[in-house]
Amino acid sequence: SQTIHQWPATLVQPVGSPLSLECTVEGTSNPNLYWYRQAAGRGLQLLFYSVGIGQISSEVPQNLSASRPQDRQFILSSKKLLLSDSGFYLCAWRRQGFGYEQYFGPGTRLTVT
Amino acid sequence: QKEVEQDPGPLSVPEGAIVSLNCTYSNSAFQYFMWYRQYSRKGPELLMYTYSSGNKEDGRFTAQVDKSSKYISLFIRDSQPSDSATYLCAMSDLEGQGAQKLVFGQGTRLTINP
Repeated sequence: SQTIHQWPATLVQPVGSPLSLECTVEGTSNPNLYWYRQAAGRGLQLLFYSVGIGQISSEVPQNLSASRPQDRQFILSSKKLLLSDSGFYLCAWRRQGFGYEQYFGPGTRLTVT
Repeated sequence: QKEVEQDPGPLSVPEGAIVSLNCTYSNSAFQYFMWYRQYSRKGPELLMYTYSSGNKEDGRFTAQVDKSSKYISLFIRDSQPSDSATYLCAMSDLEGQGAQKLVFGQGTRLTINP
């Protein structure tokens, strides 16, 4: 069966500090990978998606970036965090060629102070 | 106008009631529909997905799609306090290329009172 992991689970960072959130998927190969942000009481905002190693598409070109160094690893980064970067960050995966549903990880709650 | 509209609630019903959650959409290209359940401070969990118009049943849950009206619903029978969560609808078109992005509703917060 497939499992998706995210870490850290919770993070408190000062404004201007760097960020690195990691997501890994087990039990599948060549998945589509996604990063979402969910602000309090808001819907899901797609930030980045990837169809393969090194292939990243950006939906929201802010001060965040994403990378996919390995097939089942997806990393969300920032060089300098803003207060507005606070939120719940979710990673999701989809099995290519097998329907359209996505499966989400447990999320990382980021608070920028 | 948003592509997907979902009443954010909150919706509060007594235990055992039938719950109806709804989404409307404007893009007639949407053909694949999903419902997710999200407990507080957790990631969304896929509940049901469907492609066809009509009903799809899974235990106490029924997903209904009316493509002619661009309207989807999720019914929960015999609701339980453990059903208290935020429910998100999501949908996608059937383009064969790319990463098949989903469009989500805002989510409806549901509370089942014992």
